[in-house]
Amino acid sequence: QSVLTQPPSVSAAPGQKVTISCSGSSSSLGNNFVSWFQHLPGTAPKLLIYDNNKRPSGIPDRFSGSKSGTSVTLGITGLQTGDEADYYCVTWDSSLSAVVFGGGTKLTVL
Amino acid sequence: QVQLVESGGGVVPPGRSLRLSCAASGFTFSSYAMHWVRQAPGKGLEWVAFISYDGNSKYYADSVKGRCTISRDNAKNTLYLQMNSLRPEDTAVYYCVRDLIGINARWGQGNLVTVSS
Repeated sequence: QSVLTQPPSVSAAPGQKVTISCSGSSSSLGNNFVSWFQHLPGTAPKLLIYDNNKRPSGIPDRFSGSKSGTSVTLGITGLQTGDEADYYCVTWDSSLSAVVFGGGTKLTVL
Repeated sequence: QVQLVESGGGVVPPGRSLRLSCAASGFTFSSYAMHWVRQAPGKGLEWVAFISYDGNSKYYADSVKGRCTISRDNAKNTLYLQMNSLRPEDTAVYYCVRDLIGINARWGQGNLVTVSS
């Protein structure tokens, strides 16, 4: 059972938009920045979003992040087959004194 | 170019010990906090341990606390994870990660540890 809760899977058609939620608590998402990673099997996870809503250079603006209270959301527009991957949110939990990951969400582009 | 290269993994019987290493290059290693993160077969990413840039602060996941020790040698640009009393549930790909939360996050390619008799 992960401290951060993500839906196990989401799906959408190419060109469409999808959102992936990540919910936590006041000690995790409520008071700390979150990052989002894209993970393809056999590869190193890739940073998509940091500080809740910032994109590193090289990440297209199809990817976006938002936060509301103790939940954050990753949005992906203009879906491509290459976006099929597992997506993880991660943050620091001040009560646990530990880094916590969401359980991961598998994105399928139909 | 930032590079993180893990080594030291392999097959080890339950109860034995193993030390993972992560050789860093392409950046000032001594300026960054480092983490170990693992992924068990068919499971999600799990944070294992954190060490501050100077080695003075360390944190561990409950699942490895008391069995694992994270350390670093800034003179050798190397991160370590000493794992003792290994269990089958420690079987995973172990990743070395620079500054996991924030713009400077970078991951190694991972190293497989299999705990099996």
